[in-house]
Amino acid sequence: DIQMTQSPSSVSASVGDRVTITCRASQDINTWLAWYQQKPGRAPKLLIYGASSLQSGVPSRFSGSGSGTDFSLTISGLQPEDSASYYCQRAMYFPLTFGGGTKVEVK
Amino acid sequence: QVHLVESGGGVVQPGGSLRLSCAASGFTFSNYGMHWVRQAPGKGLEWVAFIRYDGSDKYYADSVKGRFTFSRDNSKNTLYLQMDSLKVEDTAVYYCAKDRNDFWYMDVWGKGTTVTVSS
Repeated sequence: DIQMTQSPSSVSASVGDRVTITCRASQDINTWLAWYQQKPGRAPKLLIYGASSLQSGVPSRFSGSGSGTDFSLTISGLQPEDSASYYCQRAMYFPLTFGGGTKVEVK
Repeated sequence: QVHLVESGGGVVQPGGSLRLSCAASGFTFSNYGMHWVRQAPGKGLEWVAFIRYDGSDKYYADSVKGRFTFSRDNSKNTLYLQMDSLKVEDTAVYYCAKDRNDFWYMDVWGKGTTVTVSS
């Protein structure tokens, strides 16, 4: 199975900062990658699909990039409500796999 | 408004069985594939299973293959996850999620139902 490795496992940043989370696939996955946000006690929410396409209703400060094995999620202008865990997910082939998650703390 | 509501969670002994349900509304249920995803306490997300829009194909994670059965009733807009031979490591919040219908991304999620496997 293709493994997804996220880094860092946690990050702390201030309001207005730019935060970048990375996700690495163990083999080429083209752009078959999604990013999800999960707040404590809540269900995950789709932010980005196809590596860089913004899901409807998601603020434009979220952006995704990458292809092949290396991907990133960037939050430009961090807001207090962005405090959450973020997960990448490999799509296209079963079994689907998630990265281990990155916890973002807003100072 | 698209809505997914899971039910059926509870406490069960190892080796026991449980059936989860997921009621869907606000979209044409019979047009979409659906997923189950779980999250063990304090852990990350784990994809569990997928079923095509018409139930013709199903895919499972290796960790549940042979023990879990995913089904759907399009006349009732409802999904089912039959979980047999439950193990302590199956303890988790179970979410049902709607597929975007492109490459297996999950664009709508329920709030989840909790399954605890303990003696």
